[in-house]
Amino acid sequence: DQQVKQNSPSLSVQEGRISILNCDYTNSMFDYFLWYKKYPAEGPTFLISISSIKDKNEDGRFTVFLNKSAKHLSLHIVPSQPGDSAVYFCAASEVDTDKLIFGTGTRLQVFP
Amino acid sequence: DVKVTQSSRYLVKRTGEKVFLECVQDMDHENMFWYRQDPGLGLRLIYFSYDVKMKEKGDIPEGYSVSREKKERFSLILESASTNQTSMYLCASSHYQSQHFGDGTRLSIL
Repeated sequence: DQQVKQNSPSLSVQEGRISILNCDYTNSMFDYFLWYKKYPAEGPTFLISISSIKDKNEDGRFTVFLNKSAKHLSLHIVPSQPGDSAVYFCAASEVDTDKLIFGTGTRLQVFP
Repeated sequence: DVKVTQSSRYLVKRTGEKVFLECVQDMDHENMFWYRQDPGLGLRLIYFSYDVKMKEKGDIPEGYSVSREKKERFSLILESASTNQTSMYLCASSHYQSQHFGDGTRLSIL
């Protein structure tokens, strides 16, 4: 049973526009959420995170929003750049554990 | 900067072989993890370790074992490789929730 779901396997966005990647979860014990970016032939790299006590966290062009009542988080990238083209994974962890549960990923393509 | 090094980028083995995948981290992290990545399935946790000589099963441990004799090294063992273990294998280490990954080993079992 998939506890972390990314229902869009792919997303295509024009350069300069906003990219919105979505993630849903089912486990109410999750208290920390992360986004990772993965280029082909490389390992995932940490992008941004958010604690369940917040509803928004911003780092430059990247903002993560958390809606606990809907069990939904989203990653906004604005403005999108061609270098943002990658697979994005959301991940979640429960209280008092460092184990992460990953979603299935969304492939973002940013075209000129 | 955290460095997680996986010993091989590409590996080809035959069914029935015993396969060792090695991972070394240089940040003195307590936690280490092994995942496999398959299309449409994301990253699935095979095994993890919170300390030397300690290991816990992840979501898909069948057909795998691990070894952690030293803090910096975490090995994944395929006891008798099968074709359904062809995959990308990723190792990670962490101090808290933010995990740092190696570049992966693409393993093909023929």
